[in-house]
Amino acid sequence: DADVTQTPRNRITKTGKRIMLECSQTKGHDRMYWYRQDPGLGLQLIYYSFDVKDINKGEISDGYSVSRQAQAKFSLSLESAIPNQTALYFCATSDLGVGQGQFFGPGTRLTVL
Amino acid sequence: EDQVTQSPEALRLQEGESSSLNCSYTVSGLRGLFWYRQDPGKGPEFLFTLYSAGEEKEKERLKATLTKKESFLHITAPKPEDSATYLCAVQENTNAGKSTFGDGTTLTVKP
Repeated sequence: DADVTQTPRNRITKTGKRIMLECSQTKGHDRMYWYRQDPGLGLQLIYYSFDVKDINKGEISDGYSVSRQAQAKFSLSLESAIPNQTALYFCATSDLGVGQGQFFGPGTRLTVL
Repeated sequence: EDQVTQSPEALRLQEGESSSLNCSYTVSGLRGLFWYRQDPGKGPEFLFTLYSAGEEKEKERLKATLTKKESFLHITAPKPEDSATYLCAVQENTNAGKSTFGDGTTLTVKP
């Protein structure tokens, strides 16, 4: 079984709809992240959480919100989707400690029409 | 503000033709530099962490090195299965756990 899972894997929606992307992990990591990736570009950080009570904005948080329901679950919501939020979304986790690498889920491909 | 620049954007090699990918970074205090491999439509896969200048890490045909301003990912005698996008990321001392990513180098290895 995958250590980091994301649902749904693909989603097509319309402008103005509310969308929730879910992430679950079995790695036991405290830190969780949401990124978006646009074609040919690197990863842009949307939100990150270092434990259940800690939520932080990343570089592109406008139009997004998150919920950390448990150590293992971190959800990303688009309150009112717009076409320029069409992208590939990744959830990631990392352990505590100096310079720990991140472990990524398989991604959710979101299309907003 | 942390900055990460990767070059070249794309690299095409023949099987067996060794080369290097570059990652230049600007950070006030480096906590760690990371290399990831990403296959099309998939999540990045963690490869290496480098912590200080002079450090080297190896994995199969890949070797990562670090100086105070840049990191190189050397690929020795690449095979077609090494084709992927390679991402570099840095963590600053004052932003523990938060990484800044470069745009990646897309490597294509032809048989």
